[in-house]
Amino acid sequence: TQLLEQSPQFLSIQEGENLTVYCNSSSVFSSLQWYRQEPGEGPVLLVTVVTGGEVKKLKRLTFQFGDARKDSSLHITAAQPGDTGLYLCAGGPQTGANNLFFGTGTRLTVIP
Amino acid sequence: GAVVSQHPSRVICKSGTSVKIECRSLDFQATTMFWYRQFPKQSLMLMATSNEGSKATYEQGVEKDKFLINHASLTLSTLTVTSAHPEDSSFYICSASRQESQYFGPGTRLLVL
Repeated sequence: TQLLEQSPQFLSIQEGENLTVYCNSSSVFSSLQWYRQEPGEGPVLLVTVVTGGEVKKLKRLTFQFGDARKDSSLHITAAQPGDTGLYLCAGGPQTGANNLFFGTGTRLTVIP
Repeated sequence: GAVVSQHPSRVICKSGTSVKIECRSLDFQATTMFWYRQFPKQSLMLMATSNEGSKATYEQGVEKDKFLINHASLTLSTLTVTSAHPEDSSFYICSASRQESQYFGPGTRLLVL
């Protein structure tokens, strides 16, 4: 099992603040996905990164894949209450493989 | 694109009965689907990998005779919880693989009384 540790585990911030969530591992991944999950629903894919050092932006969200492909970060600018949810990173262990290893999760609450 | 559905969304059953959960990829074909279990406020725990036309691969500690998986077509996988007990109560989520990513169903909340 390839462990992905996320930090922080819980985060509660005021609307308008910025935040960063980290996803770290000692293993190398061929790809890294970020998901957001709301209570009682399945995770929704936000982004997939596959190249070391890659940066992708999705409106106010910025995702980065570490150069060594062992870690990733998610930065949210000017957080809104609609950003509230459980954020999960997931790593694909090798190219072409379908299975993912999920991170421990970060529960974000944005207070209006 | 990449929509995955699950049915039912919620089910309540009596202890000892069996429950079948369906997972469908609606707009793409998926040779591989995955079944996860999620406890409250925790991350997803992979139960098994379901491959179309072959036997599922179960993760360590998951009883294959209790959690029966069938993947008879490229768009449908089913998970049957046999002889369910209260400790099987959980949120079960499936996903379907497409290229490098997995797309998840909305989940099924199972409550065993």
